[in-house]
Amino acid sequence: DTAVSQTPKYLVTQMGNDKSIKCEQNLGHDTMYWYKQDSKKFLKIMFSYNNKELIINETVPNRFSPKSPDKAHLNLHINSLELGDSAVYFCASSDRDRGSGNTIYFGEGSWLTVV
Amino acid sequence: AQKVTQAQTEISVVEKEDVTLDCVYETRDTTYYLFWYKQPPSGELVFLIRRNSFDEQNEISGRYSWNFQKSTSSFNFTITASQVVDSAVYFCALDLYSSASKIIFGSGTRLSIRP
Repeated sequence: DTAVSQTPKYLVTQMGNDKSIKCEQNLGHDTMYWYKQDSKKFLKIMFSYNNKELIINETVPNRFSPKSPDKAHLNLHINSLELGDSAVYFCASSDRDRGSGNTIYFGEGSWLTVV
Repeated sequence: AQKVTQAQTEISVVEKEDVTLDCVYETRDTTYYLFWYKQPPSGELVFLIRRNSFDEQNEISGRYSWNFQKSTSSFNFTITASQVVDSAVYFCALDLYSSASKIIFGSGTRLSIRP
């Protein structure tokens, strides 16, 4: 069983389109994240949700809208895609509230290419 | 300000050599966690280790070892008798428990092991 799963793994789309990436975790964690990894491999947090509540929004353009229907799911919708959105998007989850340290477990990544 | 620095952008060694990946962090918090993640060519992010700020014991796991030194704010990672399968990008990360679920990653070190 995959702990953090995200779909699709690969996505090629044209500028201006709207697309979504779905993420699900079966670890029972209460916190979920979206990270973006650019072409230089730099990893940057975009959003963090704790029990369906947004707690981090790192000055991401409004075209990016996360949605968490329940604490096991965190989807990412992107409107009006731009060339610069091309990147690998990683979903992740952690169990912060148990006080055992915030180990983040990542999904396999979604490779988004905007043409 | 919080920061993680991995000064080594790329390292290339011959198989069976030992190699150390450096990580220096900055924080004024007294409670924090440090991590190492591995990103092999297949792209997923694999959790390797978590260390909390109160535990300066070094850790060894097979060929991997970690040296945590609060005095120099470093958390270095050594691979002994490197193998080709160790080729990957390695990320060091810092989590301030006082902040809202925001793990900060270093820029990564690309390790290439030549046969």
